[in-house]
Amino acid sequence: QTVVTQEPSFSVSPGGTVTLTCGLSSGSVSTTYHPSWYQQTPGQAPRTLIYNTNTRSSGVPDRFSGSILGNKAALTITGAQADDESDYYCVLYMGNDIWVFGGGTKLTVL
Amino acid sequence: EVQLVESGGGLVQPGGSLRLSCSASGFTFSTYAMHWVRQAPGKGLEYVSAIDNSGHRTFYADSVKGRFTVSRDNSKNMLNLQMSGLRPEDTAVYYCVKRPSYSSGWYYDYWGQGTLVTVSS
Repeated sequence: QTVVTQEPSFSVSPGGTVTLTCGLSSGSVSTTYHPSWYQQTPGQAPRTLIYNTNTRSSGVPDRFSGSILGNKAALTITGAQADDESDYYCVLYMGNDIWVFGGGTKLTVL
Repeated sequence: EVQLVESGGGLVQPGGSLRLSCSASGFTFSTYAMHWVRQAPGKGLEYVSAIDNSGHRTFYADSVKGRFTVSRDNSKNMLNLQMSGLRPEDTAVYYCVKRPSYSSGWYYDYWGQGTLVTVSS
C-alpha cells in the first residue's frame, strides 16, 4: 500500500521561509506523479495552491512555490505571513485513476 | 463563477444508506471529470471516488469499493454518491471536487464546501 508522507507539523516565523515536503513510503516522487498542493484553514474547504509540481493556481501569491527536492515534492513559502497558518496537503497521482493524499502538515506562524 | 454545492448529508445508522448530491454551475459540467473527497473529523483528506466526464468510467478507493456508487446526470449538472453499508469510519465531510481538462494535468481545481455525513447509532 502506497503511503504519501508529510511532516505532521512545522513552524515558521513571520517573514521567514519554510519548505514542506511530500514523499513516498517507498520510492521517489517525480514530476510523473503530478504533485499538487492544497491549503485548508479550519472549517473551510481546501484551496488549490500548486499543481503539476510547480504551477501556481490562479490568484495564489508568488511567495508560494513548488518543486522537486531530492526524492520529494516540496512546497516553499517565502516571507510567511500570519494568514499562511493552515493545514497543507499534497496529492500524488499514481496512475489508473488512483489518487493518494498525504496526511497533511499543520503550519504554525509564530 | 464555478460553484459546487453539496447536499444530502446527515445522521444515519450503521449499515444504512445515504445519497449525496452535488449541484454544479459556472462551467460546462459534461466536459469535466469529477471526484468525491472526504475528511473525517480532525483528520486529513481522503480520495473516495471519481467519474469521467461521460459517466461511463468510475473509480473507487478500496475503503468504499462495493459499498459506494458514483454517478452523474449531465443534463442536470448533478454529481451523485450513493452510499450503502455505512460504517462509523465513513463519518466525514464529503467534498465534491472538479478536475480540470485532461490536458491540463492531474489535480483538483475547484472544491465545494462539503456536506457532513455522520454514521452513528
